[in-house]
Amino acid sequence: DQQVKQNSPSLSVQEGRISILNCDYTNSMFDYFLWYKKYPAEGPTFLISISSIKDKNEDGRFTVFLNKSAKHLSLHIVPSQPGDSAVYFCAASATGSNYQLIWGAGTKLIIKP
Amino acid sequence: KAGVTQTPRYLIKTRGQQVTLSCSPISGHRSVSWYQQTPGQGLQFLFEYFSETQRNKGNFPGRFSGRQFSNSRSEMNVSTLELGDSALYLCASSLSVGSNQPQHFGDGTRLSIL
Repeated sequence: DQQVKQNSPSLSVQEGRISILNCDYTNSMFDYFLWYKKYPAEGPTFLISISSIKDKNEDGRFTVFLNKSAKHLSLHIVPSQPGDSAVYFCAASATGSNYQLIWGAGTKLIIKP
Repeated sequence: KAGVTQTPRYLIKTRGQQVTLSCSPISGHRSVSWYQQTPGQGLQFLFEYFSETQRNKGNFPGRFSGRQFSNSRSEMNVSTLELGDSALYLCASSLSVGSNQPQHFGDGTRLSIL
């Protein structure tokens, strides 16, 4: 039973345009969400997070939106740059479960020049 | 500040063998978590250690085990290797447990079972 789902295995976006990566979850107990970015042959690196008490968090070109009623979050990258080409993982945790992270399968983002 | 270091980077084993992977966390970090990543799958949580004690455990068989030393370095061991154990094994460290601190990952050990 996948509690965190990233339904798009890959996404291709033109450089300079907006990239939108989506993530859905099923566990209503999740109260903290994170996005990680992973380049080939490297470990994931933390990008941005959001608590369930918020519906938006922004950090430079990266914004995460959380829709609790729909159990959906999205990561917006504006403008997209070639260095953003990577695999993006969504992860979620619940305070009552020792903050164990549950991960999505990842979305490969390709930025076209 | 040095990042999380995992050794070895690559490993080839045959079925039935056992393997030990090593992880050195960021200096000052006391929590170490291990994950398995296979193609098309997210990171599957193996276990988490803090102060030499296992604090959390994922749904993996008993062939997968780990430990943490007093200097916070951690090892994971897989016994009686199976073909399906071929994966990227990632270690992540954070300052402590019981919070939403982002984890810092090493570059992983790529384990191939022949």
